[in-house]
Amino acid sequence: QLQLQESGPGLVKPSETLSLTCTVSGGSISSSSYYWGWIRQPPGKGLEWIGSIYYSGSTYYNPSLKSRVTISVDTSKNQFSLKLSSVTAADTAVYYCASRSGSPGISDPWGQGTLVTVSS
Amino acid sequence: DIQMTQSPSTLSASVGDRVTITCRASQSISSWLAWYQQKPGKAPKLLIYKASSLESGVPSRFSGSGSGTEFTLTISSLQPDDFATYYCQQYNSYPETFGQGTKVEIK
Repeated sequence: QLQLQESGPGLVKPSETLSLTCTVSGGSISSSSYYWGWIRQPPGKGLEWIGSIYYSGSTYYNPSLKSRVTISVDTSKNQFSLKLSSVTAADTAVYYCASRSGSPGISDPWGQGTLVTVSS
Repeated sequence: DIQMTQSPSTLSASVGDRVTITCRASQSISSWLAWYQQKPGKAPKLLIYKASSLESGVPSRFSGSGSGTEFTLTISSLQPDDFATYYCQQYNSYPETFGQGTKVEIK
């Protein structure tokens, strides 16, 4: 059974780069069955899809964030990562990683989420 | 982008009630719609995919229907564990988009 766990700094300064890693267990990130994705949720608000990646490295980004987002995969560590540059307070959110059935696709399962606050 | 609009935003109901949540897409998404349940401080949990397919392990009191632009999530008999926020998500095209959520509260 797949399990995902996010890790990374909980506090990032404005204009800096947010970096998070998702570690996958219970399955191989190189499986052709899955894509991998990031979704975020500002406090008290709804869900926003950030982007997805296939193990081969193919990426799909939300156009609203595309200029600032990079998603990468490290098959040797069974991990994938998110980098979001030039952050502002509007990027404060709980960031979730998730396994995906396709791209576009459904997200299941999800990691527990990690709160990232952008503040000086 | 395809806009997803849920109604109502908040719903007050009692244990045993039949509950229906509606999700409307700004353009046709065929049946590429999922429903998630989220409890406070927890990650969303997949309930329904492809508009009406029940995810494994999800109680049969949950059901989904619809196609095109109008979809519904129905809980046939609300249980204490069902008080949560529910989100629809379209995955017909990029970018994937979610509804704003429907909070099901205790009446």
